[in-house]
Amino acid sequence: GQSLEQPSEVTAVEGAIVQINCTYQTSGFYGLSWYQQHDGGAPTFLSYNALDGLEETGRFSSFLSRSDSYGYLLLQELQMKDSASYFCAVRDYNQGGKLIFGQGTELSVKP
Amino acid sequence: DAGITQSPRHKVTETGTPVTLRCHQTENHRYMYWYRQDPGHGLRLIHYSYGVKDTDKGEVSDGYSVSRSKTEDFLLTLESATSSQTSVYFCAISESGLRTNYGYTFGSGTRLTVV
Repeated sequence: GQSLEQPSEVTAVEGAIVQINCTYQTSGFYGLSWYQQHDGGAPTFLSYNALDGLEETGRFSSFLSRSDSYGYLLLQELQMKDSASYFCAVRDYNQGGKLIFGQGTELSVKP
Repeated sequence: DAGITQSPRHKVTETGTPVTLRCHQTENHRYMYWYRQDPGHGLRLIHYSYGVKDTDKGEVSDGYSVSRSKTEDFLLTLESATSSQTSVYFCAISESGLRTNYGYTFGSGTRLTVV
């Protein structure tokens, strides 16, 4: 089966940098995605890594190491509006490419 | 934003009654998914569809059925609602099942309470 682990909560201050880690276990790994969800809202897609390395999209970056079954989301220049839950999710080709989600990390940004 | 709508947005129903949730998309995407979200469990896949009349089970499919008679509509039915099915239900669409970096687009969710 599949499993993903990420911290349940992270707290940081405005303007800082925060890293949210994700380790995964899956038989047919195809890619790692990150989603953001504000309280009560729809999850929104942030990034996708299929290959090792760093992908940068504005203030957000995502990293993948397939050999370590590990990835992280890096948020820079934190803003209050970044307070949300962040989910990592794996695509598994043995599961038809469906996304399997981690339990989410709740990020609180303090002034 | 991609056109995906869920209805109803909120519903309260009694134990033992059937309930149908609707997901409608205007993007002509092939893949559609139903997830439930509960505290401490993240998003868990209930059922998904990879085309009209083509559906399959996810990790928490017991007590749920789905139908997809048109590309744009994916229905989730609770045959006999139980309190354990109180949850927030999200529909998602995807252009491709595997080879994509576009991600899923989620609807706004349906908050279902079974009393």
